[in-house]
Amino acid sequence: GAGVSQSPRYKVAKRGQDVALRCDPISGHVSLFWYQQALGQGPEFLTYFQNEAQLDKSGLPSDRFFAERPEGSVSTLKIQRTQQEDSAVYLCASSLATASRSTGWPQHFGDGTRLSIL
Amino acid sequence: TQLLEQSPQFLSIQEGENLTVYCNSSSVFSSLQWYRQEPGEGPVLLVTVVTGGEVKKLKRLTFQFGDARKDSSLHITAAQPGDTGLYLCAGARRGNNRKLIWGLGTSLAVNP
Repeated sequence: GAGVSQSPRYKVAKRGQDVALRCDPISGHVSLFWYQQALGQGPEFLTYFQNEAQLDKSGLPSDRFFAERPEGSVSTLKIQRTQQEDSAVYLCASSLATASRSTGWPQHFGDGTRLSIL
Repeated sequence: TQLLEQSPQFLSIQEGENLTVYCNSSSVFSSLQWYRQEPGEGPVLLVTVVTGGEVKKLKRLTFQFGDARKDSSLHITAAQPGDTGLYLCAGARRGNNRKLIWGLGTSLAVNP
């Protein structure tokens, strides 16, 4: 399809396991964002890529969280030694954002991965 | 500290009523975007407002950007059950407008 694709849609893991979440952005979109979203609340910024460069990772809650986008397209968010507080929906968004623009750039979201840590 | 405050956090109304959702900040934004998110899906862009005082209409939805570009409102006329969802505002700041600052959202339920 033409939209942002995230997989898996649902992931259940036991506490202490490692998980990997995948995001396939819209083709040609330069910017890619990862967010964590609690039920009924807005997205909380985790990290941001421009092409393959990770320009901002200030939102990653701990060093157990790691994101990569090695070829500037598909991105993976990895969480090591998962804990119960990691349970949330993880959203990926991409944006054309080829240059700075006063209007800002709209973000196109995938439907998220719902992560449950038991 | 939340840079964008949305109010109310929750709203439950009957079909046909009008409502207004607010998005406020002490910071100036170069633009502000409104999104709607339905359960199990990602947010979808509704509108972008850019100019202070700007008003945009999308069918029964009216969006306004404050004169000082620090706040915005979303007014829905004659709400319908299909308007149910989480409404999010997100601001772009001059100098770093690829990354958006997000509000916590207003969860709207329109009851038939």
